[in-house]
Amino acid sequence: EAEVAQSPRYKITEKSQAVAFWCDPISGHATLYWYRQILGQGPELLVQFQDESVVDDSQLPKDRFSAERLKGVDSTLKIQPAELGDSAMYLCASSPGLAGSSTDTQYFGPGTRLTVL
Amino acid sequence: QKEVEQNSGPLSVPEGAIASLNCTYSDRGSQSFFWYRQYSGKSPELIMFIYSNGDKEDGRFTAQLNKASQYVSLLIRDSQPSDSATYLCAVNPPTGGFKTIFGAGTRLFVKA
Repeated sequence: EAEVAQSPRYKITEKSQAVAFWCDPISGHATLYWYRQILGQGPELLVQFQDESVVDDSQLPKDRFSAERLKGVDSTLKIQPAELGDSAMYLCASSPGLAGSSTDTQYFGPGTRLTVL
Repeated sequence: QKEVEQNSGPLSVPEGAIASLNCTYSDRGSQSFFWYRQYSGKSPELIMFIYSNGDKEDGRFTAQLNKASQYVSLLIRDSQPSDSATYLCAVNPPTGGFKTIFGAGTRLFVKA
């Protein structure tokens, strides 16, 4: 069964350091999402790609976060510098539908648990 | 008012009982509704989606949608301890380009 891959699974870093997360979506899925989930809350969308293009990054803190999907397949999310409040689970999801589809069905990867000390 | 609201729980039911999880949403134009299950420390897993008013059944799970009242529910029949998890309701409101909005989730405990 096809799955979304993410790495690393866990990351511990000190504040002001740079961190990067990688995601490989299910093959053939054009739409890719990065979410942040704080303990006790639902996932919050950070950025959405359709192929290599950013469709929505309105919730991405652009002063420290960046995301790219250069070839329209795998994607990287970077934080520089990390802050204490960035500690969370970072989830990647992919969807076979087009971005903005009202019937979007998303499949999540295992996530990266980030702890900032 | 939050866009998607769920009772945080915990909801505790005995094994074999029916667990009923509820979700309300604010955007009346929303068309797609999803239920995800999330075990502690794991990522969300899609259980069901529903687009039309009424009931949709899949095994022990039934999703119910009432657009007039703006609520969607998930029933789990014959609840098992393995159903103990957080259940996330997600909605695709047209405002904001159908970006998926998740509720905070309801924690369910099924007692053996």
